[in-house]
Amino acid sequence: QVQLQESGPGLVKPSQTLSLTCTVSGGSISSGSYYWSWIRQPAGKGLEWIGRIYTSGSTNYNPSLKSRVTISVDTSKNQFSLKLSSVTAADTAVYYCAREYFDWLGGMDVWGQGTTVTVSS
Amino acid sequence: SSELTQDPAVSVALGQTVRITCQGDSLRSYYASWYQQKPGQAPVLVIYGKNNRPSGIPDRFSGSSSGNTASLTITGAQAEDEADYYCNSRDSSGVVFGGGTKLTVL
Repeated sequence: QVQLQESGPGLVKPSQTLSLTCTVSGGSISSGSYYWSWIRQPAGKGLEWIGRIYTSGSTNYNPSLKSRVTISVDTSKNQFSLKLSSVTAADTAVYYCAREYFDWLGGMDVWGQGTTVTVSS
Repeated sequence: SSELTQDPAVSVALGQTVRITCQGDSLRSYYASWYQQKPGQAPVLVIYGKNNRPSGIPDRFSGSSSGNTASLTITGAQAEDEADYYCNSRDSSGVVFGGGTKLTVL
């Protein structure tokens, strides 16, 4: 079955760029049936959708983060990535990648285990 | 972007039925999905679409919708159902999540 695994630095300095990668195994990221999303969750708080990418490279972003977010896909490596610029302590969170049904049913059926990113000097 | 509103906390007696609700304008146009999250774990999809359960999700979980409100119903709640529950739906920007509901099974 498809599995997702986040990877990247666990500590990022303020004002720098957070970079994470999600590796897809057990299936192809090029499947036209899914979006590939990033979601985050600050400690003790709720889930916040960051953005998503389709295999074509088309992206959608949370308006509140849009100016700082870039999501890209590397089909040759079966990976998609998140870059969040100009980070502050408010960006400290567990970051998840997830697979979302592309069709009208929606729903994120596969999630990575999450990776904790702390923004601190 | 739109918002989805959930009650922060709900409790249910063991074996009884509980409904968790999610309200928002996006639900007039898009289906809600529901996720269960236990401490220290990633969310798990329990309901998507009109009322679809992924493989492995018990049939005591069901979903419904009316107007701008979606509901997750657990019929015969079990101790292992104690968790945080989140709804989400699509909106004009992409996706929006509700704030989550903490379910306590008494």
